Amino acid sequence: AQTVTQSQPEMSVQEAETVTLSCTYDTSESDYYLFWYKQPPSRQMILVIRQEAYKQQNATENRFSVNFQKAAKSFSLKISDSQLGDAAMYFCAYKETSGSRLTFGEGTQLTVNP
Amino acid sequence: GAGVSQSPSNKVTEKGKDVELRCDPISGHTALYWYRQSLGQGLEFLIYFQGNSAPDKSGLPSDRFSAERTGGSVSTLTIQRTQQEDSAVYLCASRENRAADTQYFGPGTRLTVL
Repeated sequence: AQTVTQSQPEMSVQEAETVTLSCTYDTSESDYYLFWYKQPPSRQMILVIRQEAYKQQNATENRFSVNFQKAAKSFSLKISDSQLGDAAMYFCAYKETSGSRLTFGEGTQLTVNP
Repeated sequence: GAGVSQSPSNKVTEKGKDVELRCDPISGHTALYWYRQSLGQGLEFLIYFQGNSAPDKSGLPSDRFSAERTGGSVSTLTIQRTQQEDSAVYLCASRENRAADTQYFGPGTRLTVL
């Protein structure tokens, strides 16, 4: 079964600085999707960024970018120019190409200090 | 457009009572998911509906849990004879037709079983 591991239960960053959240996963599949979701105190899970495994280019969405290392099964999220509104729980998630469900990591609680 | 909505936002019930949780997916989304988010268990898949196909119930933790989706739209998750370990946030997500499409989440229902 696929597993997703986030080894950092908590992280903190100063406003305007850069922070990287780690995620590793285990799969025997060659094609799949990876996601980072953000969950603020409102509980709503918000998609931050997604990556298709067949694409070598790392996904980027404004201040958010990923470092996708397929051979190492690593999928880290970099947040540049951190803002107070970035404070939230961040979840890494995996989905098989042909599958339906998302498999989530344990989450990383990000604090942004002013 | 409107996102995924869930009701109630919070539900407090007594052990042994039945509860119903409702999810309204994004209009036009054919797939609908239920996940459970609890302390110590993280986010876990419960059930998946896709169009008129038989639902994937493989994540339901016991036969006290059931779900239906009427008319391919609204879904209700029912928990019978609630137990304290059922206390969690129940999240609903929907997506468009393709399996590759992103899942969009609702704000969840926080269930507390006393």
